Amino acid sequence: GENVEQHPSTLSVQEGDSAVIKCTYSDSASNYFPWYKQELGKRPQLIIDIRSNVGEKKDQRIAVTLNKTAKHFSLHITETQPEDSAVYFCAASIKAGGYNKLIFGAGTRLAVHP
Amino acid sequence: DAGITQSPRHKVTETGTPVTLRCHQTENHRYMYWYRQDPGHGLRLIHYSYGVKDTDKGEVSDGYSVSRSKTEDFLLTLESATSSQTSVYFCAISGQGGSYNEQFFGPGTRLTVL
Repeated sequence: GENVEQHPSTLSVQEGDSAVIKCTYSDSASNYFPWYKQELGKRPQLIIDIRSNVGEKKDQRIAVTLNKTAKHFSLHITETQPEDSAVYFCAASIKAGGYNKLIFGAGTRLAVHP
Repeated sequence: DAGITQSPRHKVTETGTPVTLRCHQTENHRYMYWYRQDPGHGLRLIHYSYGVKDTDKGEVSDGYSVSRSKTEDFLLTLESATSSQTSVYFCAISGQGGSYNEQFFGPGTRLTVL
């Protein structure tokens, strides 16, 4: 079946450094790629997304890039802060039975150390 | 957070008993989803609904059933709970604002099956 692979599974950085999380997807028809942040004990929260008609999108310190040819997309966080510490999930859309669904990666636990 | 609530928020039950989890939304969104979250697996889709009385299976649907008799409510039933169904269950909604892909999550239900 369709799947999304996410790397690394854990990432530790110093405050102020950049963090990059990468995902690859298998369905060439996927056209929507969201990223979610989940703090401990909380619900996943959408932080940024990108659609297949653009290659990059930025929102303050976070950015997402998409390479459709290679079927991979990445989350970039610059000037990391301790409050960025969380688990991050990528996802890719698939269309099944005429309806859109999301397939999620396994998650990356980001730790930002002061 | 989008108007999504889940009940109960925590439940402990015994193997073999039926369990029903409720997701309630006030956003009038068309699509509703049930996921389970387990360490190392990210979020996996159990069932989804694309309208009242319209539901379909996700990737891990065995042992689960769903019902949607009203736009605002989506019920997940574990017909005979097993220890492998111990998990955190999240409901999600999408479909408003011109985008049928963005999903917003409820607060989650932590289920323990003894």
